[in-house]
Amino acid sequence: GAVVSQHPSRVICKSGTSVKIECRSLDFQATTMFWYRQFPKQSLMLMATSNEGSKATYEQGVEKDKFLINHASLTLSTLTVTSAHPEDSSFYICSARDNRGELFFGEGSRLTVL
Amino acid sequence: GNSVTQMEGPVTLSEEAFLTINCTYTATGYPSLFWYVQYPGEGLQLLLKATKADDKGSNKGFEATYRKETTSFHLEKGSVQVSDSAVYFCALSDKGFQKLVFGTGTRLLVSP
Repeated sequence: GAVVSQHPSRVICKSGTSVKIECRSLDFQATTMFWYRQFPKQSLMLMATSNEGSKATYEQGVEKDKFLINHASLTLSTLTVTSAHPEDSSFYICSARDNRGELFFGEGSRLTVL
Repeated sequence: GNSVTQMEGPVTLSEEAFLTINCTYTATGYPSLFWYVQYPGEGLQLLLKATKADDKGSNKGFEATYRKETTSFHLEKGSVQVSDSAVYFCALSDKGFQKLVFGTGTRLLVSP
């Protein structure tokens, strides 16, 4: 099946720094990608929908200036957590939709902010 | 709004035992229903889905039936294997598959 890859899988950063997470569709083009956040023992919460060549659509309560999303090509979307703080520590997961509408998920990226 | 409720885990079973993981939903209209599985160190994978009432999704020995009258989509397998150990997520989406709403996930641990 189609593969979606996230990088890095784990990142540790200092409070106040910015961290970029990449999401790539390896063998298909994805006009739409989704970013989720998962807290321990909780469900995946949709943060934003990323559309290639246009601005991302953020869910209610998600700070767009805090979580910058760029979908510059049909195979790459990036999530940048700006001025990270310990409360931003979480598991971030992306998914990409192929031209049949099926969703494929990345392995997730665990962010720890010290 | 739409929501999914699934049983808390972990569910601990011996190999060849029968598995049921309960999932109920709240939704307007007629959503599509999904089960995703996340194996250790991997991303979520679609396990099975059902798009309308009374549909049965099945894959790898797992089954789930879309029950509109009870708003449920319980996951079942007749005989689990150690390799089935994973986290299972129930989810729903609107007809356009625009957004998925997930349950909290249920961890399944199968011992030899």
